[in-house]
Amino acid sequence: DIQMTQSPASLSASLGETVTIECRASEDIYNGLAWYQQKPGKSPQLLIYNANSLHTGVPSRFSGSGSGTQYSLKINSLQSEDVASYFCQQYYDYPTFGSGTKLEIK
Amino acid sequence: QVQLKESGPGLVQPSQTLSLTCTVSGFSLTSNSVHWVRQPPGKGLEWVGAIWSGGSTDYNSALKSRLSISRDTSKSQVFLKMNSLQTEDTAIYFCTRSGELGYYFDYWGQGVMVTVSS
Repeated sequence: DIQMTQSPASLSASLGETVTIECRASEDIYNGLAWYQQKPGKSPQLLIYNANSLHTGVPSRFSGSGSGTQYSLKINSLQSEDVASYFCQQYYDYPTFGSGTKLEIK
Repeated sequence: QVQLKESGPGLVQPSQTLSLTCTVSGFSLTSNSVHWVRQPPGKGLEWVGAIWSGGSTDYNSALKSRLSISRDTSKSQVFLKMNSLQTEDTAIYFCTRSGELGYYFDYWGQGVMVTVSS
């Protein structure tokens, strides 16, 4: 199985700041990488697929980048509604997820 | 619009079998694959298995010996059966649809909480 190492586990930032969350795969996943946002008590919601493609309806302040084994999610101009947990997922092989990042407002 | 909805018992006794149903609308099971993903309380996400648009299945290797996924296309339903349940199987179980360009998950059900306890 491909292991996904996600960092940081938690993050606190101020409104309007830019934050970055990273995922490292145990082998090359050839951009088969998605990012999800999960708010408390809710299902995960797709933000990014194919490493850098924005899912329909997702605000443009979210962006994804990376290649090979290293990927990142950037959130520009942090808003209060961005408080959530974020997960990466690779789908080059059978799907596996990162352990998640809990984002809070400072 | 695309919708998925899980149903099933909230409480299962240890060593018993879990049966869940995912009822979908807004798309065809013969066009998109449906996956099950679970999440223990307060923890991360784990892929459980999938039934592909052609009807074949794949399972998480750690669960494969206990797991069966099937479907009824006429009713737009996908079924999960997992036997020999243990307390570690306590989780929210989500059914999800895979995207058009890869096996990411573009739509999710609301999830069903399954507790394994006597």
